Amino acid sequence: QSVLTQPPSVSGAPGQRVTISCTGSSSNVGAGYDVHWYQQLPGTAPKLLIHGNSNRPSGVPDRFSGSKSGTSASLAITGLQAEDEADYYCQSYDSTLSAWVFGGGTKLTVL
Amino acid sequence: EVQLVESGGGLVQPGRSLRLSCTASGFTLGDYAMSWVRQAPGKGLEWVGFLRSKTYGGTPEYAASVKGRFTISRDDSKSIAYLQMNSLKTEDTAVYYCTRDRRSFYGMDVWGQGTTVTVSS
Repeated sequence: QSVLTQPPSVSGAPGQRVTISCTGSSSNVGAGYDVHWYQQLPGTAPKLLIHGNSNRPSGVPDRFSGSKSGTSASLAITGLQAEDEADYYCQSYDSTLSAWVFGGGTKLTVL
Repeated sequence: EVQLVESGGGLVQPGRSLRLSCTASGFTLGDYAMSWVRQAPGKGLEWVGFLRSKTYGGTPEYAASVKGRFTISRDDSKSIAYLQMNSLKTEDTAVYYCTRDRRSFYGMDVWGQGTTVTVSS
């Protein structure tokens, strides 16, 4: 049971838009701690995709965007491409646990 | 090129110890906090612990699941971070990643390729 809740899977056709939610609580996302998103392509290490809720590191396409409101955050991917098929994880800090916490991960399938 | 390379993984019996290393290149390790994150087979990511840079006291924090058994240290002169794992359990079986941890706003912006630890008799 992850502290941050993500849907286990989402899917979309090439060119479509998908969103992945990340729901926390008043001790993490709702307390104002930043949310980060990571992309893990099959068989590889995770890669930082979005930091500080909505900021893209250099080299990340602007098809990827993040947002945060209240106790939840979202990752949106527009213009879906086959190479976006991966696992996506959200991460934040939890003040009750005094720990970094990850969501359980969402598997994106491009149909 | 900014890079992290883990080493030291392998097969170990329950109750034994193992030390993982994380060698940094392309940046000054001493300027950054470092975190270890693990991923059990077929599972999601789990934060293991982190070590602040000496500028911020060089102190560690650990996940409850490893506290008292795992120790993170660093040798900034060699650009190496370590994860000492004692009293290993079968549930510690995972791929272990070291990361450059830029904390609240910037997240974990550099990841190593991971090293596999298997705890089994």
